Amino acid sequence: QSVLTQPPSVSAAPGQKVTISCSGSSSNIGNNYVSWYQHLPGTAPKLLIYDNNKRPSGIPDRFSGSKSGTSATLGITGLQTGDEADYYCGTWDSSLSAVVFGGGTKLTVL
Amino acid sequence: QVQLVESGGGLVKPGGSLRLSCAVSGFTFSDNYMSWIRQAPGKGLEWVSYISSSGSTIYYADSVKGRFTISRDNAKNSLYLQMNSLRGEDTAVYYCARSPPGYRSVFDIWGQGTMVTVSS
Repeated sequence: QSVLTQPPSVSAAPGQKVTISCSGSSSNIGNNYVSWYQHLPGTAPKLLIYDNNKRPSGIPDRFSGSKSGTSATLGITGLQTGDEADYYCGTWDSSLSAVVFGGGTKLTVL
Repeated sequence: QVQLVESGGGLVKPGGSLRLSCAVSGFTFSDNYMSWIRQAPGKGLEWVSYISSSGSTIYYADSVKGRFTISRDNAKNSLYLQMNSLRGEDTAVYYCARSPPGYRSVFDIWGQGTMVTVSS
């Protein structure tokens, strides 16, 4: 059971928009920055978003992040088949003194 | 270019030990916190441990505390994970990951991972 809660799966058609939620508590998301990762099987995970809404260089602006209270959201617009992957949220948990991840969300681009 | 390369994975019996290594290149290793993160088969990402740039601050996940030891050698640009008293639930792909300067829980560069299988 992950400390952060994500939906197991989401799907949308190419060109459409999708959002992935990440729910936590005051000890993690509520008082710490959230980051998001894209993971294709057999490859190294890739950082998409950090500090709730900042994109590393090279990440297209189709990817966006937001946070409100104890929840965070990853948005992806203009979906492409290459976006099919598992997506994880992560943050620091001040009560656990540990980095925590969500359980992951599998994105299917229909 | 920036690169992290893990090694040392393999098959080990329950109760056994294994030492993972992560060789880094392409950046000033001593500037960055480093972490080990794992993914068990069919499961999500699980953070295992991090070590500060100087090695003076270390944190572990409860699931490995007392069994795993993280360390680094800045002169050799290398990160290590000594794993003792291994259990079946430690079976996973183990990734080393870099945190950007000033961060400890953001991971901007990851290795390709090394597989650890704990089985009799």
